[in-house]
Amino acid sequence: DTAVSQTPKYLVTQMGNDKSIKCEQNLGHDTMYWYKQDSKKFLKIMFSYNNKELIINETVPNRFSPKSPDKAHLNLHINSLELGDSAVYFCASSYGGRGTEAFFGQGTRLTVV
Amino acid sequence: GESVGLHLPTLSVQEGDNSIINCAYSNSASDYFIWYKQESGKGPQFIIDIRSNMDKRQGQRVTVLLNKTVKHLSLQIAATQPGDSAVYFCAEGPPLTGGGNKLTFGTGTQLKVEL
Repeated sequence: DTAVSQTPKYLVTQMGNDKSIKCEQNLGHDTMYWYKQDSKKFLKIMFSYNNKELIINETVPNRFSPKSPDKAHLNLHINSLELGDSAVYFCASSYGGRGTEAFFGQGTRLTVV
Repeated sequence: GESVGLHLPTLSVQEGDNSIINCAYSNSASDYFIWYKQESGKGPQFIIDIRSNMDKRQGQRVTVLLNKTVKHLSLQIAATQPGDSAVYFCAEGPPLTGGGNKLTFGTGTQLKVEL
């Protein structure tokens, strides 16, 4: 009965590879997000989708491409991985209206070697 | 790789004492604020929220205070327990004129509960 689930939980890969992280929510929310948390625990939004439409894209390199096949899923594909991409990536979801809390997944720890 | 040590502000409290975690925000147009708790290896978990038309809101063992004059938010945890040990984040919602529901997070405070 996990609300926001993302896979994999850990991902170790070499520089230059392409990888994907998947996210699914069963809360019936219409908005989904990707956040990045760096080694200093700083959390920053990357993307937001509302009903499969991209509404926030926060100056993220175009090597990062989100895809939302339906409003319950938001995947993140990363091309040509770099060392600086190492971080924890969190998927989240909420109702699209302003002033509602976001529910977060458990995170995917990406390590690029 | 991960840097050695985190540069997070740390608050150490004795079990049973009250904890106060502070947060400053910058956008005077923000009208929605949330506190999240993040335990090691987990995602942020919602604790309590407050809208700008309020200056105080209480939950179970937690109280959030909002001072819009000085753009300051605090989270008070009563009778702190070992299970409260975590990193606490304040987050602000988008301003009235903004779009989407982007949350802007503060830097986080590490709460350590000593037995």
